Amino acid sequence: AIQLTQSPSSLSAFVGDTVTISCRASQVIISTLAWYQQKPGRAPKLLIYNAFRLESGVPSRFSGSGSGTDFTLTISSLQPDDFATYYCQQYDSDPTFGGGTKVEIK
Amino acid sequence: QVQLVHSGAEVKKPGSSVNVSCKASGGTFSTYSISWVRQAPGQGLEWVGGVIPIFGTAKYAQKFQGRVTMTADESTSTAYMELSSLTSEDTAVYYCARGAPNWDDAFDVWGQGTLITVSS
Repeated sequence: AIQLTQSPSSLSAFVGDTVTISCRASQVIISTLAWYQQKPGRAPKLLIYNAFRLESGVPSRFSGSGSGTDFTLTISSLQPDDFATYYCQQYDSDPTFGGGTKVEIK
Repeated sequence: QVQLVHSGAEVKKPGSSVNVSCKASGGTFSTYSISWVRQAPGQGLEWVGGVIPIFGTAKYAQKFQGRVTMTADESTSTAYMELSSLTSEDTAVYYCARGAPNWDDAFDVWGQGTLITVSS
């Protein structure tokens, strides 16, 4: 199975900051990668698919980049609603998820 | 917009089985895949497997092979997951999620989840 390693596992940031979260795959997955946001007690919400395509209705401050084995989620001008846990997921083969990155308020 | 609605929380004894349902409303059901993803308390997300209702085909994560069965009923737009030989490590919220029929896409719609607690 393809393993996904996210870093950092947690971070603290101020409202208005730009944050980046990394996701590294154990083998090449081209662009078959998605990013999700999850808040406590809620189901995950799709933000980005195919590495960089923004899901409908998701604010443009979220962006994805990368290909091959290294991918990045960037949140520009962090908003109070963005404090959550973020997961990457690959669907090049049987789906697997990264370990998650918790974004907390500084 | 399609919504996925889960059956209610359950408490099960070790060694028993559980059957969870996920009903789609407000959109197309059969031509997508429905996957099941679980999340143990305080932990990350884990794909259990999925089913394509229109074909009746399913595939499972290797970890669950032999003790999970996923089916779908097109007439009621409902997907089912049966997990057997439960242990305390199966305690988790189980989500259903919609994906592409060729498994080649992200999960764009999620149910609210069903909490399964395994305890003696």
